[in-house]
Amino acid sequence: AQTVTQSQPEMSVQEAETVTLSCTYDTSESDYYLFWYKQPPSRQMILVIRQEAYKQQNATENRFSVNFQKAAKSFSLKISDSQLGDAAMYFCAYRSEEWDDKIIFGKGTRLHILP
Amino acid sequence: DTGVSQDPRHKITKRGQNVTFRCDPISEHNRLYWYRQTLGQGPEFLTYFQNEAQLEKSRLLSDRFSAERPKGSFSTLEIQRTEQGDSAMYLCASSLPSTGIPLYYGYTFGSGTRLTVV
Repeated sequence: AQTVTQSQPEMSVQEAETVTLSCTYDTSESDYYLFWYKQPPSRQMILVIRQEAYKQQNATENRFSVNFQKAAKSFSLKISDSQLGDAAMYFCAYRSEEWDDKIIFGKGTRLHILP
Repeated sequence: DTGVSQDPRHKITKRGQNVTFRCDPISEHNRLYWYRQTLGQGPEFLTYFQNEAQLEKSRLLSDRFSAERPKGSFSTLEIQRTEQGDSAMYLCASSLPSTGIPLYYGYTFGSGTRLTVV
């Protein structure tokens, strides 16, 4: 079974600085999707960024980018120019393409933005 | 269509009572998922539907839990004889299937139903 591991329960970053959130996953499949979801306090979960495993190019969405290392099964999220609104729980997630299956989430990293 | 709607937002119930939650997905999404999230943890998969068919149920879904999606539209999640360990946020999400979709954006989540069993 696939697993997703986020080894940093909490992180803090100064406003306007850059922070990287780590994620590793375990799978025997070759085709899959990886996601980072953001869950602000008492608000619904929203998609931040996604990556297809067959693409070598790292995904980028404005201030958010990923470092996807397929061989190492690593998928980190970099947030540049951190803003107060970035404070949230961030979940790394995996979904098989081969089985068209459910999304599996990590336990999350709580990100604090220091003014 | 304004997204995935869940009702109620909050539910407090006494142990042993039955509760039912409702989820209205995005209308063109034929996949609907239920997850449970406890404080400080990631969402844990419970079950999912493609149209009206329930395709998979997690081992987390004990016999006290039942989910339905009549006519492939809204879904209900019922918990019978609630226990304090059922206290959690119950999240609903919907999506299109990934196969055949050139850009797959994953799920759209609802705001969740927070259940407190006292």
